[in-house]
Amino acid sequence: DAKTTQPTSMDCAEGRAANLPCNHSTISGNEYVYWYRQIHSQGPQYIIHGLKNNETNEMASLIITEDRKSSTLILPHATLRDTAVYYCIVRLMNRDDKIIFGKGTRLHILP
Amino acid sequence: DVKVTQSSRYLVKRTGEKVFLECVQDMDHENMFWYRQDPGLGLRLIYFSYDVKMKEKGDIPEGYSVSREKKERFSLILESASTNQTSMYLCASESGGEGPGTQYFGPGTRLLVL
Repeated sequence: DAKTTQPTSMDCAEGRAANLPCNHSTISGNEYVYWYRQIHSQGPQYIIHGLKNNETNEMASLIITEDRKSSTLILPHATLRDTAVYYCIVRLMNRDDKIIFGKGTRLHILP
Repeated sequence: DVKVTQSSRYLVKRTGEKVFLECVQDMDHENMFWYRQDPGLGLRLIYFSYDVKMKEKGDIPEGYSVSREKKERFSLILESASTNQTSMYLCASESGGEGPGTQYFGPGTRLLVL
């Protein structure tokens, strides 16, 4: 079973920031938070990951709460091409740990 | 850029046929994975491999086998295709080693078994 809980779907206006929440209340100290997204009919695409500090790259920002029980993925200026299913995943530092994809959040960017 | 390619985007096969799905990655990654994706069930891990000639069962290996003869190639085999194996199949690769890794996915193969 997935170790994360995400809303089933969300809407966001084009040009606004999209904030996607994720709960991972049972996360352990050596588990990372990963975000992937899947645009319709394509394979999942890696976005970002973090352990406890906030992270930013060219695609998004990841904000992790101090207790690490939840996180938020931020797409700063959403475009129509950001319409996708977004998956929040927790995974051990050790790459032997499998990635378990949950149901994700279907994000609709509205023109 | 990491490139993971899959031999077909769409495939139609008949029940009982032997089906080969091929996956090739060009980044010298040690780890490779096969998933299937079905509506309402998300991605489920079928098999994975951490090295040439190594394979490990994932969560739903029944009805499937795999082959990893070369580092860059990981094949998924449906020994006798059945209609319940109609699905989207996704291959992924990841570098080995310690620390957090990133799985890179191919475009997927949509398989229809009649």
